[in-house]
Amino acid sequence: KNEVEQSPQNLTAQEGEFITINCSYSVGISALHWLQQHPGGGIVSLFMLSSGKKKHGRLIATINIQEKHSSLHITASHPRDSAVYICAVTYIQGAQKLVFGQGTRLTINP
Amino acid sequence: KAGVTQTPRYLIKTRGQQVTLSCSPISGHRSVSWYQQTPGQGLQFLFEYFSETQRNKGNFPGRFSGRQFSNSRSEMNVSTLELGDSALYLCASRSGTGVETQYFGPGTRLLVL
Repeated sequence: KNEVEQSPQNLTAQEGEFITINCSYSVGISALHWLQQHPGGGIVSLFMLSSGKKKHGRLIATINIQEKHSSLHITASHPRDSAVYICAVTYIQGAQKLVFGQGTRLTINP
Repeated sequence: KAGVTQTPRYLIKTRGQQVTLSCSPISGHRSVSWYQQTPGQGLQFLFEYFSETQRNKGNFPGRFSGRQFSNSRSEMNVSTLELGDSALYLCASRSGTGVETQYFGPGTRLLVL
């Protein structure tokens, strides 16, 4: 069982839909990261969270420390949002190495 | 500021050879971490260097090694290449103090034949 679980693994939606990607982890963390990876491989860090909620444009990330769960939301989705979204955590006892979920492949159709 | 750069971007090697990959972090960043991404295993942590010292290491065999120079540039080396080493190798940099965002390079795609 992965330490970091994401769902769904694949998600296809129509342009304009509200998207939610979920991430669960098993033990205490110092931070949770949401990353975006486009075809070609480059990874962009979207958010780093240790509590509460963050918003950037159409992207919103939330985390519930007690439930060990985080969600990434995309409002008014657009085909350019098509990418793999990866949740990663840094553990309190694990220095700063990232432990990754398996990723969610998102496809937004026009 | 310039972003994280990695060279080369693509590489083809044969089994048994060795390879060296390079990563130049964002100016002022002292921490460089290396990751391997494969279709089967996903993204996995290789090691982290901070101020020329290895600070953390993942579960990879000793064929995988790295170093960091005084200007924070880092190299990783894989000796005696195996087919399973074919992967995208990513490095990420950060200032190195506390919990912070990591900035990723574009990656080096290695194919072992």
